Amino acid sequence: QSALTQPPSASGSPGQSVTISCAGSSSDVGGYNLVSWYQQHPGKAPKVMIFEVSKRPSGVPDRFSGSKSGNTASLTVSGLQAEDEAAYYCSSPNTFAGTNILLFGGGTKLTVL
Amino acid sequence: QVTLKESGPALVKPTQTLTLTCTFYGISLSTTETRANWIRQPPGKALEWLARIDWDDEIFYSTSLKTRLTISKDTSKNQVVLRMINMDPADTATYYCAHMGPKWELDYWGQGTLVTVSS
Repeated sequence: QSALTQPPSASGSPGQSVTISCAGSSSDVGGYNLVSWYQQHPGKAPKVMIFEVSKRPSGVPDRFSGSKSGNTASLTVSGLQAEDEAAYYCSSPNTFAGTNILLFGGGTKLTVL
Repeated sequence: QVTLKESGPALVKPTQTLTLTCTFYGISLSTTETRANWIRQPPGKALEWLARIDWDDEIFYSTSLKTRLTISKDTSKNQVVLRMINMDPADTATYYCAHMGPKWELDYWGQGTLVTVSS
């Protein structure tokens, strides 16, 4: 099973919105509503921002939203702020051929211009 | 409050076996729905999921690394242990342990421990 596909970079100006995609297959992203998104600042552990495609854990600003269409999930960050500059990773379970594993995307570096 | 802390060697030699320990605080490994995971991240690269062990001892491994990995837990110490055999410089990475919630979300992470493989 290959990693999920994310664009390596994305950018936007403060106040703007940016959307990051996460492409998979019917064995992972498309097959389950279990996509999560993580934010990682340099030198820090990842932090879950979205789970179950579109749910936000307590404390995550509502500027962060998630969606899914077919085999592709998306993370949208609205009203960009300087502190949103970070790497973002998607994840999804994959059960191809009876396996039960977690796949990550290759990560997207978000730059706030 | 749930916290996790990884421990283990910072440096291992090629062909050696790596043993990492993750100690859970604030949650028992024998509590239903507790799932412990190991994830690694080579410097400047993406996250890679390695293995998972559940409260009921069900175990899952990365398909590409399954022949080199062993995950286990000691509920008396509330610790999860990952062993990786035949270490290679390509295995140089920060190794994280993380708790997985019921929707496959990794909701609690350790701080990570950097392991360098070099002779």
